[in-house]
Amino acid sequence: DADVTQTPRNRITKTGKRIMLECSQTKGHDRMYWYRQDPGLGLQLIYYSFDVKDINKGEISDGYSVSRQAQAKFSLSLESAIPNQTALYFCATSGRTGDQPQHFGDGTRLSIL
Amino acid sequence: AQRVTQPEKLLSVFKGAPVELKCNYSYSGSPELFWYVQYSRQRLQLLLRHISRESIKGFTADLNKGETSFHLKKPFAQEEDSAMYYCTPMGDMRFGAGTRLTVKP
Repeated sequence: DADVTQTPRNRITKTGKRIMLECSQTKGHDRMYWYRQDPGLGLQLIYYSFDVKDINKGEISDGYSVSRQAQAKFSLSLESAIPNQTALYFCATSGRTGDQPQHFGDGTRLSIL
Repeated sequence: AQRVTQPEKLLSVFKGAPVELKCNYSYSGSPELFWYVQYSRQRLQLLLRHISRESIKGFTADLNKGETSFHLKKPFAQEEDSAMYYCTPMGDMRFGAGTRLTVKP
């Protein structure tokens, strides 16, 4: 399912750098989400957006910001990356109603040295 | 608030053995629940939702209102079932820690 595309797939960078992870979707979904995945912690919600004008913090938003540029695009930024933000990041989308499952991208593996 | 709990972070079984991944919920009513699966180095994908009553890849999940559970079951585990599994209620965007299933040869 290539309907949810994340770029880059892998990124290695240094502490203090600004990083942007991008997510685009062709599913026509209104809702988009950003998660991080760490071993033993599962998935944690960073930010979510129910439409272009609606942005909400998730469970672990500190150190992150997002931008919903269009219905199809939702970017995650780390303004000043730190090593404990090293993780696998997933973008997901879902339909307008709350009864629809989420569709995930392939993830971005981010390493901060 | 709607909450689900997967009490086992790790579960290991031998190939051919039955497997049950536990999911308990702590709210009333008739919840709608999903099971997602993530194979190694792949994206999460929906495995099944309880209202569909489907069997996907040999897995089934029945909502037990008396026990407030939605356990995922398979009678004969296969090595390719090794993955992370997440149980989550419909409409809840949180996933929690999940359960890592390892099926040993």
